[in-house]
Amino acid sequence: DAEITQSPRHKITETGRQVTLACHQTWNHNNMFWYRQDLGHGLRLIHYSYGVQDTNKGEVSDGYSVSRSNTEDLPLTLESAASSQTSVYFCASSPTSGSYNEQFFGPGTRLTVL
Amino acid sequence: ELKVEQNPLFLSMQEGKNYTIYCNYSTTSDRLYWYRQDPGKSLESLFVLLSNGAVKQEGRLMASLDTKARLSTLHITAAVHDLSATYFCAVDNNNDMRFGAGTRLTVKP
Repeated sequence: DAEITQSPRHKITETGRQVTLACHQTWNHNNMFWYRQDLGHGLRLIHYSYGVQDTNKGEVSDGYSVSRSNTEDLPLTLESAASSQTSVYFCASSPTSGSYNEQFFGPGTRLTVL
Repeated sequence: ELKVEQNPLFLSMQEGKNYTIYCNYSTTSDRLYWYRQDPGKSLESLFVLLSNGAVKQEGRLMASLDTKARLSTLHITAAVHDLSATYFCAVDNNNDMRFGAGTRLTVKP
């Protein structure tokens, strides 16, 4: 069955370190998204991609970067982790943009920055 | 800037009762989604509403969309404990999805 996976599921790191969170989907969806979830804020969009070599900034992109070298993967990199980036991160994907853009979410990665 | 507001943020209700969760948004959009999240879990899609007047029902949940009022509602009928979860609405603004803060629903026996 097609799915979307994230790794690691839990990560503890130190301030200033570079961290990369992986997201892999097997639906062959063109669109992929990264969100962070914090109490009281719902989900906030970090970056998104409409296809290979395409990346776009979302609402809270500062301190994060993404790259899209193939359809299946959109890794999220924290260049220099900060305590404010402690959060739960969700990856999602959706079919090619059109009138129906339901997003399918991965299981999440809980990141703690000490 | 697109803003999405849900209310209430917390809802405690007894089994068998009815209630409505509201989702207001600030800019024109005709694509609205409802998701459910159980504690420690990912988001599960409940409803996709794609046009003004759209109404979708699944079991004890019914969602509707009024694009002119920029309002969606999630109505709960005869609540049961299994519906306890956090419910999010999300508004799609050309793939820039904005989520409400969520409504944490607790259904008590």
